[in-house]
Amino acid sequence: NAGVTQTPKFQVLKTGQSMTLQCAQDMNHNSMYWYRQDPGMGLRLIYYSASEGTTDKGEVPNGYNVSRLNKREFSLRLESAAPSQTSVYFCASSEVLLAGPEFTEAFFGQGTRLTVV
Amino acid sequence: KNQVEQSPQSLIILEGKNCTLQCNYTVSPFSNLRWYKQDTGRGPVSLTIMTFSENTKSNGRYTATLDADTKQSSLHITASQLSDSASYICVVSAVSGTYKYIFGTGTRLKVLA
Repeated sequence: NAGVTQTPKFQVLKTGQSMTLQCAQDMNHNSMYWYRQDPGMGLRLIYYSASEGTTDKGEVPNGYNVSRLNKREFSLRLESAAPSQTSVYFCASSEVLLAGPEFTEAFFGQGTRLTVV
Repeated sequence: KNQVEQSPQSLIILEGKNCTLQCNYTVSPFSNLRWYKQDTGRGPVSLTIMTFSENTKSNGRYTATLDADTKQSSLHITASQLSDSASYICVVSAVSGTYKYIFGTGTRLKVLA
């Protein structure tokens, strides 16, 4: 059981380049999320998808776009990378929305360490 | 502003000793509180989840407490092991029309032999 799989694990980009971070879950979860983790800060939500076909902005969406390709996959795209986007990116999934009224568990991928130079 | 603050920022203890990590929050209206363990280079893994009505929850050597009146939670680790070395993150969610799931900055625990 792979859980949540992120690719790539490491990436170095030049300023202005674009790239897509891939995320797939095999737990048949409805909700998926993209977070970034920076030193000295808690994980911050970039975008989330409550269910297949919907996406919503989180706390720090500027400079990012997402696609919920199907129930399993949720990708994060950087159209024009900036040094401020250097971070560790985590994808997560849950059966239903984490902050909703139902109890649910969140499962995280292993992260993508992105450096923009 | 909704905030989750954790203390201490870092902690070093000897193997076999106990320790307690603190979490204070101002997230409102409160829904539930989670503690996660994050090993270096890995994603967070859930340890416990507590609702408003629960004041203690155990998971092996980990025991979380919640005081919803004072908006404080603690994570107590008993008989620490080297594998407990990790960051421990408190996360509070709010019942709201919009998504609110706020992460603390974590406590970095180092257990020494």
